[in-house]
Amino acid sequence: DSGVTQTPKHLITATGQRVTLRCSPRSGDLSVYWYQQSLDQGLQFLIQYYNGEERAKGNILERFSAQQFPDLHSELNLSSLELGDSALYFCASSVGKGINEQFFGPGTRLTVL
Amino acid sequence: AQSVTQLGSHVSVSEGALVLLRCNYSSSVPPYLFWYVQYPNQGLQLLLKYTTGATLVKGINGFEAEFKKSETSFHLTKPSAHMSDAAEYFCAVSGNTNAGKSTFGDGTTLTVKP
Repeated sequence: DSGVTQTPKHLITATGQRVTLRCSPRSGDLSVYWYQQSLDQGLQFLIQYYNGEERAKGNILERFSAQQFPDLHSELNLSSLELGDSALYFCASSVGKGINEQFFGPGTRLTVL
Repeated sequence: AQSVTQLGSHVSVSEGALVLLRCNYSSSVPPYLFWYVQYPNQGLQLLLKYTTGATLVKGINGFEAEFKKSETSFHLTKPSAHMSDAAEYFCAVSGNTNAGKSTFGDGTTLTVKP
């Protein structure tokens, strides 16, 4: 158990819908990262937040947005969902904002029908 | 810019045999390198990392990796495979010391035959 929690574990929705994925980092970790893992694209870094502020951005679509709240949990919002958004979404956390070991959550499996 | 290439999407070894998973990277700045393992239906777990200093890095579960700058490689090895090593392994590079963004390879699935 990494100490990172993600909810829900599974999510099934329809195209065009909007969903919110939630992540609680390990106690004491200030950075949260979001990744998308799919068969065709592999593991893709989406975005990093550090202590409430956006720190780094990767291959995140404009339809996707994230935020980190004062209690340090984070939410990833996916809107206007398409079939291709079906994937595993991982959250990871680390202590600092730079190069640190990242602890991954168990992931949320999103299926868009 | 940075990238990672993992040679061989699938590697199969016999129990007790040497494990060698290959990773080559490119980075415009001195890299930080990582190997992660992912067991089925789980998130990634850090095996080992190279930041600076000793180029031979030892990790958990008997794995080690050697940073070779001249070859831009960071191959993962384990002298003797165990059935429990069957998993997917990801090499990652981070070259930006101001943020934790890492670029991951496509992964190598390790199968261990009895």
